[in-house]
Amino acid sequence: DQQVKQNSPSLSVQEGRISILNCDYTNSMFDYFLWYKKYPAEGPTFLISISSIKDKNEDGRFTVFLNKSAKHLSLHIVPSQPGDSAVYFCAASGGSWGKLQFGAGTQVVVTP
Amino acid sequence: NAGVTQTPKFQVLKTGQSMTLQCAQDMNHNSMYWYRQDPGMGLRLIYYSASEGTTDKGEVPNGYNVSRLNKREFSLRLESAAPSQTSVYFCASRPYANYGYTFGSGTRLTVV
Repeated sequence: DQQVKQNSPSLSVQEGRISILNCDYTNSMFDYFLWYKKYPAEGPTFLISISSIKDKNEDGRFTVFLNKSAKHLSLHIVPSQPGDSAVYFCAASGGSWGKLQFGAGTQVVVTP
Repeated sequence: NAGVTQTPKFQVLKTGQSMTLQCAQDMNHNSMYWYRQDPGMGLRLIYYSASEGTTDKGEVPNGYNVSRLNKREFSLRLESAAPSQTSVYFCASRPYANYGYTFGSGTRLTVV
């Protein structure tokens, strides 16, 4: 029973445009959300996070939005660059020491 | 600063063989985790160690055992490998609550 869902397995976007990745969760106890980026043959690397007391967090080209009532979060990448081509995982946890639960990932391809 | 180091990077086992995946972190992190990544499934937690001297089951512990040897090292053992354990295994660590994980680069295991 996956509690974190990424329903789009892949996304293709032109360089310079906005990439929007979506993530839904079912567990109302989740209060901390993260996005990880993964290149082939490497481990996931932390990208950005948001706690449930906020609805938006920005870090450079990356912005995460949280809609608690809809149990939905999204990652915006503006502008998209070729180096952004990777798999992006959404993750969530509940409680201070909650273990991260991950979505299935979205493969992003940025085309010239 | 090496971060999280996993060995080996690749391994092929025959059904029924045993092996231990090694993980070490040099960041003085308290918590350590073992995940497996399978296509369409994201990362699923196998076992974790919240602190030195403790270990607990995650989402998919069957067929695995772990040892938290000291604060730095957390190993994952397959006693009798099965083809269903063919996967990419990631070790991760976390320094404190409400913080993201740092992942190793993974071990790609094939059981034939």
